[in-house]
Amino acid sequence: DAGVIQSPRHEVTEMGQEVTLRCKPISGHDYLFWYRQTMMRGLELLIYFNNNVPIDDSGMPEDRFSAKMPNASFSTLKIQPSEPRDSAVYFCASSLSLGQGGTGELFFGEGSRLTVL
Amino acid sequence: GQNIDQPTEMTATEGAIVQINCTYQTSGFNGLFWYQQHAGEAPTFLSYNVLDGLEEKGRFSSFLSRSKGYSYLLLKELQMKDSASYLCAVRDRDYKLSFGAGTTVTVRA
Repeated sequence: DAGVIQSPRHEVTEMGQEVTLRCKPISGHDYLFWYRQTMMRGLELLIYFNNNVPIDDSGMPEDRFSAKMPNASFSTLKIQPSEPRDSAVYFCASSLSLGQGGTGELFFGEGSRLTVL
Repeated sequence: GQNIDQPTEMTATEGAIVQINCTYQTSGFNGLFWYQQHAGEAPTFLSYNVLDGLEEKGRFSSFLSRSKGYSYLLLKELQMKDSASYLCAVRDRDYKLSFGAGTTVTVRA
């Protein structure tokens, strides 16, 4: 089974441009998480979904950030307009809920490295 | 919210044992995870504790004390490939998973 798939792997853009990051979770997983990782702030939770519904978006930095999950197999994280301080690695992760057995551990995608000039 | 603390760095010799401590405060504990992250890669799952006690998995063990808000990850028979960042993460009752800043372990020959 394929793991979590993210695209693009790398993106370099200029300040003010719109950035869209994409994620395909593992089939059957009902939770999806978006994290941002920087050296200064570590791994920060931005937003997470359960069954395509956003549960907690308190980690989204500001109105420039938005995330959607139109169906169980696809999610996007959009930044508009982008700023240099948004430069980071953005990880998408998915998991099963505890009710489906197991530990509910997160499976991470390989990340999208964003550089805003 | 959640507050998770772990040391920033640790150094150990190949073949030795290292213990990484993690303390946490959370509103509604629902499990503690340890992840390993090599430089430039994604975090990968190592261990899970939800009840007090020790969970052993080969060279890696993880311990949890819920009353103390404390966990540790024990790495035995260290190998060079164990040089990585180790992340402590706590899940709350709403299934929100928050990570500590990570402990960078350097294994020296």
